[in-house]
Amino acid sequence: EVQLVETGGGLVQPGRSLKLSCVASGFTFNNYWMSWTRQAPGKGLEWVASITNSGGSTYYPDSVKGRFTISRDNAQNTLYLQMNSLRSEDTATYYCTIIIRGTFDYWGQGVMVTVSS
Amino acid sequence: DIQMTQSPASLSASLGETVSIECLASEGISNDLAWYQQKSGKSPQLLIYAASRLQDGVPSRFSGSGSGTRYSLKISGMQPEDEADYFCQQSYKYPYTFGAGTKLELK
Repeated sequence: EVQLVETGGGLVQPGRSLKLSCVASGFTFNNYWMSWTRQAPGKGLEWVASITNSGGSTYYPDSVKGRFTISRDNAQNTLYLQMNSLRSEDTATYYCTIIIRGTFDYWGQGVMVTVSS
Repeated sequence: DIQMTQSPASLSASLGETVSIECLASEGISNDLAWYQQKSGKSPQLLIYAASRLQDGVPSRFSGSGSGTRYSLKISGMQPEDEADYFCQQSYKYPYTFGAGTKLELK
């Protein structure tokens, strides 16, 4: 059974940093591209970052480019999201997802990030 | 960026009723369109990919259709467990973008 378990969320002040982790199990992690997608409270979904199965290429929307970094450790079956210069508009539940042919096939349970002073 | 305009924003359906949700892309997306269901307090789940292909385990009352810029999700026979938010998503071009969502309630 595919499992994606996110950790590392919490309350952080604007301008500070936070790093999310996602431990994967139940599938061959290094065969799949992975992504982070977020959902602000009561709002819709926003794609945040994707990474190839080898980790050699990464992709971001303009809203987080230069502030967020997606990475992975295939030996540890773990996906990361380093978030710097956080803003109030980054407040959201962050989901770790397996991405196949551009669609988000499996989702973790999500981790809440609140950016507030 | 490709804008995804989803309609309606909300709707209410009776048990057994057939429901349709539409998604209009701001440019052609060549069937690179997925639909997700999100029940209250839960993570989204993939229902349909490539505009019309049913994800494994999804009931056959769900179907997707469309081409070019217009796509739709149909639920043939509303069930209580279908009460949820539904989102479309294009994967034709980066950045991947989602529709704003449709809240479906049981009447």
